[in-house]
Amino acid sequence: QQPVQSPQAVILREGEDAVINCSSSKALYSVHWYRQKHGEAPVFLMILLKGGEQKGHEKISASFNEKKQQSSLYLTASQLSYSGTYFCGTEPAGSYQLTFGKGTKLSVIP
Amino acid sequence: KAGVTQTPRYLIKTRGQQVTLSCSPISGHRSVSWYQQTPGQGLQFLFEYFSETQRNKGNFPGRFSGRQFSNSRSEMNVSTLELGDSALYLCASSLAQIRETQYFGPGTRLLVL
Repeated sequence: QQPVQSPQAVILREGEDAVINCSSSKALYSVHWYRQKHGEAPVFLMILLKGGEQKGHEKISASFNEKKQQSSLYLTASQLSYSGTYFCGTEPAGSYQLTFGKGTKLSVIP
Repeated sequence: KAGVTQTPRYLIKTRGQQVTLSCSPISGHRSVSWYQQTPGQGLQFLFEYFSETQRNKGNFPGRFSGRQFSNSRSEMNVSTLELGDSALYLCASSLAQIRETQYFGPGTRLLVL
């Protein structure tokens, strides 16, 4: 079952902050975040594992609420280069496969 | 280190035909996953291969199949193409586990007429 992302789209001015949420109905082992720019492949941002381990880029921060099966991606002081579609991928416990949400389109304008 | 490569990049086929797409993972990566991306459904998991074995399969009909070779290169095949198969097909590789960082290739854009 696909995780639900919110919002579906957001427009920011440079320097503003944004939060993208990802919610699953299943117990999760890991949550993954990727960004895809138009016409390009998705690029890894962050992995959050059950138990608190995180791996990702220094400038990206995210949280994983294991009790609520929710994750949030925090984008601070946005830059034009942050524009793109953000996908969360969830790995339900025991499934060993990633199910991606439909994405959140982020546009940063000058 | 070379990234994930996919060939061909673009394909046009007609209904009823079959198609084979190829994916070469990053050197040393043994897990290869395939995804279908469409505007309406987003990224949908097709299957994952590890050491020449299909380890996981998504919810797609049997017309979608794949394989992995001893050098970790992978192919996916779609038989009896339907209009709804038009999509961007992405493969991603990781060292060994799907829960590790996935490195995506540029994709193959398939158009079925």
